[in-house]
Amino acid sequence: EPEVTQTPSHQVTQMGQEVILRCVPISNHLYFYWYRQILGQKVEFLVSFYNNEISEKSEIFDDQFSVERPDGSNFTLKIRSTKLEDSAMYFCASSRPMTAGSYNEQFFGPGTRLTVL
Amino acid sequence: AQSVTQLGSHVSVSEGALVLLRCNYSSSVPPYLFWYVQYPNQGLQLLLKYTSAATLVKGINGFEAEFKKSETSFHLTKPSAHMSDAAEYFCAVTRSGGGADGLTFGKGTHLIIQP
Repeated sequence: EPEVTQTPSHQVTQMGQEVILRCVPISNHLYFYWYRQILGQKVEFLVSFYNNEISEKSEIFDDQFSVERPDGSNFTLKIRSTKLEDSAMYFCASSRPMTAGSYNEQFFGPGTRLTVL
Repeated sequence: AQSVTQLGSHVSVSEGALVLLRCNYSSSVPPYLFWYVQYPNQGLQLLLKYTSAATLVKGINGFEAEFKKSETSFHLTKPSAHMSDAAEYFCAVTRSGGGADGLTFGKGTHLIIQP
């Protein structure tokens, strides 16, 4: 069964460093998403991406964040200058093209745990 | 704006007992509602979804949920708990049938199954 994969599973970085979190969505999916979950808190939507551009973003997704689909398979989240409060689990998700009358489930990856020291 | 409230950060039931996890939502448009389960060190897996068809929705692993518009609720139930049901459960809402809209999650309920 196809699945969303994420690498690395755990990343440790120093405050102020840039990090790139990588995701490989399911191959025939066209919508891509990033979410984060700070320890002990709820999962929060960051951004959605379609047709090589950002479709929606939350207030969390400020100028420190960027997303990219550099090739036909990867989808990345970059944090330019990490802060302590960026420590969280980051989930990637993808969904199929929309079809009338049906809901397209978002399939989630296992997450990358980011620790900022 | 949309929001989800899950009552009870932890719920403990005995194996074989009824599971009831509560979810209330707020939405300015007809909502799409979901329950996701997260096992340790894994991603989120969709249990079931409400997409404006039947109000009683059946999902995987014997779970079901009922959409009650008058109560703005979407509680998750399972008649008989199994040890393998121990996990974190998240209720979520979105405003449309997919596409670019993100999901708004509740804070989650940790389900503990007592032997």
